[in-house]
Amino acid sequence: KAGVTQTPRYLIKTRGQQVTLSCSPISGHRSVSWYQQTPGQGLQFLFEYFSETQRNKGNFPGRFSGRQFSNSRSEMNVSTLELGDSALYLCASSREGSTDTQYFGPGTRLTVL
Amino acid sequence: DQQVKQNSPSLSVQEGRISILNCDYTNSMFDYFLWYKKYPAEGPTFLISISSIKDKNEDGRFTVFLNKSAKHLSLHIVPSQPGDSAVYFCAASSYNTDKLIFGTGTRLQVFP
Repeated sequence: KAGVTQTPRYLIKTRGQQVTLSCSPISGHRSVSWYQQTPGQGLQFLFEYFSETQRNKGNFPGRFSGRQFSNSRSEMNVSTLELGDSALYLCASSREGSTDTQYFGPGTRLTVL
Repeated sequence: DQQVKQNSPSLSVQEGRISILNCDYTNSMFDYFLWYKKYPAEGPTFLISISSIKDKNEDGRFTVFLNKSAKHLSLHIVPSQPGDSAVYFCAASSYNTDKLIFGTGTRLQVFP
């Protein structure tokens, strides 16, 4: 069974730009969650999508948004990038939600210059 | 406000000895706890979990202990192996929010 894939793996952007990250969950998984990992902050929950609907949201500004398609693939968008957005962005999929075992992708390393 | 805290950013243990990783939480509504392990350049992988109705769960070399009154959980790895060297995250969720809150992670190094 193929694992969770994320594209691209690395991105370099400049302040003010926007970026779109993609996540393909494990086949059959309907829940996709996104996390931001930074040194000293651990993994911070961004949002969770389930069956194309945002079901949970973390404490991030509105510049961070996402969506999920009918095939459960998910995208995350960050607009007006700031230097502090530099981080590893991880997505995780599970069958039903956070309390199921989540399977993480390798992450997208975003660097904002 | 960090609801899940891992106060030790790093831990170094000799191969064969016990590794004990600690995690504290503040939200009494949390009822499900998990440990994830992360190697560099990879996403976290699930290790072991525990429900709040239990105080111990064991899986091979890994045991998680939950002390609800102290709002504390710990992961014991016995015996520790060099392949266990990774960053370990604890996470918690509550039945009514269904979102995982992670700690900041503890980097475990197991040396020969």
